Amino acid sequence: EDQVTQSPEALRLQEGESSSLNCSYTVSGLRGLFWYRQDPGKGPEFLFTLYSAGEEKEKERLKATLTKKESFLHITAPKPEDSATYLCAVQARGGSQGNLIFGKGTKLSVKP
Amino acid sequence: DAGVTQSPTHLIKTRGQQVTLRCSPKSGHDTVSWYQQALGQGPQFIFQYYEEEERQRGNFPDRFSGHQFPNYSSELNVNALLLGDSALYLCASSSTGISYEQYFGPGTRLTVT
Repeated sequence: EDQVTQSPEALRLQEGESSSLNCSYTVSGLRGLFWYRQDPGKGPEFLFTLYSAGEEKEKERLKATLTKKESFLHITAPKPEDSATYLCAVQARGGSQGNLIFGKGTKLSVKP
Repeated sequence: DAGVTQSPTHLIKTRGQQVTLRCSPKSGHDTVSWYQQALGQGPQFIFQYYEEEERQRGNFPDRFSGHQFPNYSSELNVNALLLGDSALYLCASSSTGISYEQYFGPGTRLTVT
């Protein structure tokens, strides 16, 4: 069964304290892995798509990496405005362009 | 460039009632997917519409149904509401054959009492 597990569930950082969020996945052939940011009561905001092991994407203080079993979202020198829940999702090959399978997310809090 | 829009923002219904939620996709997108997100959980796939037909469906009962219109907008209908249907309902749009990325709207918060 296709599955996504994110860790930790919650992460509290001081401003400027770099860290990483983990997304482990089990899927019958990966079409793509997606990272989203979600603020409370809002819809997920698209961040990155990764398609193959070894691929990396960067945006401001965020960097996403992908291996055959997991993805990491590295946050460098975070600021309070980076506080949000970060969601990881996978899409399996063979199906249509639908059915993103999400993890439960990591809730990040950055204190000034 | 307008992003994905959803209406209404919030909705309160009573058990047994029926509800209709609406979604307009991002400009240039032709595919709409619906997700249910319970508090503290990741979104769960309900179904996807393309060319006015349901293309794929998740593990949701037949009480959940949908429709896509010629202008690519979509509706999600839920009949015989249960307390457990209380959630944030998210619509996502994408462009079939162009990209696998899905862009989400702000969601509709449904509360069933």
